[in-house]
Amino acid sequence: DAGVIQSPRHEVTEMGQEVTLRCKPISGHNSLFWYRQTMMRGLELLIYFNNNVPIDDSGMPEDRFSAKMPNASFSTLKIQPSEPRDSAVYFCASSLEGAGNQPQHFGDGTRLSIL
Amino acid sequence: GQQLNQSPQSMFIQEGEDVSMNCTSSSIFNTWLWYKQDPGEGPVLLIALYKAGELTSNGRLTAQFGTTRKDSFLNISASIPSDVGIYFCARGAAGNKLTFGGGTRVLVKP
Repeated sequence: DAGVIQSPRHEVTEMGQEVTLRCKPISGHNSLFWYRQTMMRGLELLIYFNNNVPIDDSGMPEDRFSAKMPNASFSTLKIQPSEPRDSAVYFCASSLEGAGNQPQHFGDGTRLSIL
Repeated sequence: GQQLNQSPQSMFIQEGEDVSMNCTSSSIFNTWLWYKQDPGEGPVLLIALYKAGELTSNGRLTAQFGTTRKDSFLNISASIPSDVGIYFCARGAAGNKLTFGGGTRVLVKP
């Protein structure tokens, strides 16, 4: 079975450029999560969707970050303009909807470097 | 926000040793999850716990949901080199969110 698929796996770009990260959740999962992982702050939840609707975006660092889920099989996380401090590994995860007790399944992440 | 305290932050293992790590919180939760992350990959679910006192095994891994519902531990028995990685505890919260601990980095003794 296909797991959560993220692209690209690696992205290196100059500051000020727009960055778009993509995620395809596991088929049948109706919750999707975007995380950021850094050495200093660990795994941080940025935003999550239930049934394509954003439920909680309180973890989105600032207005430069935006996320969309136009349909059940695709989501994007966009950073515009990007800054060096955005360098991190960004993970997408999906799960069945539930009251905080549904295990989340992670993609392999996008390693983002902003120069 | 509510924090999870995971310890130790790192540990060295020697092949064949049993190792243990734990997670504590000041609040009561209904779900504890344990994940492992290998280099260059995303976290992979190891064990899920849903009931206070629950003890669950997955191969050489054993995890328990503390009876106070504020803590959990993960044991690895007879460790092998591929046990190296970062282990995360996570707790379920309102809605469908998880909060993750800071991770325990397991390394091989030189």
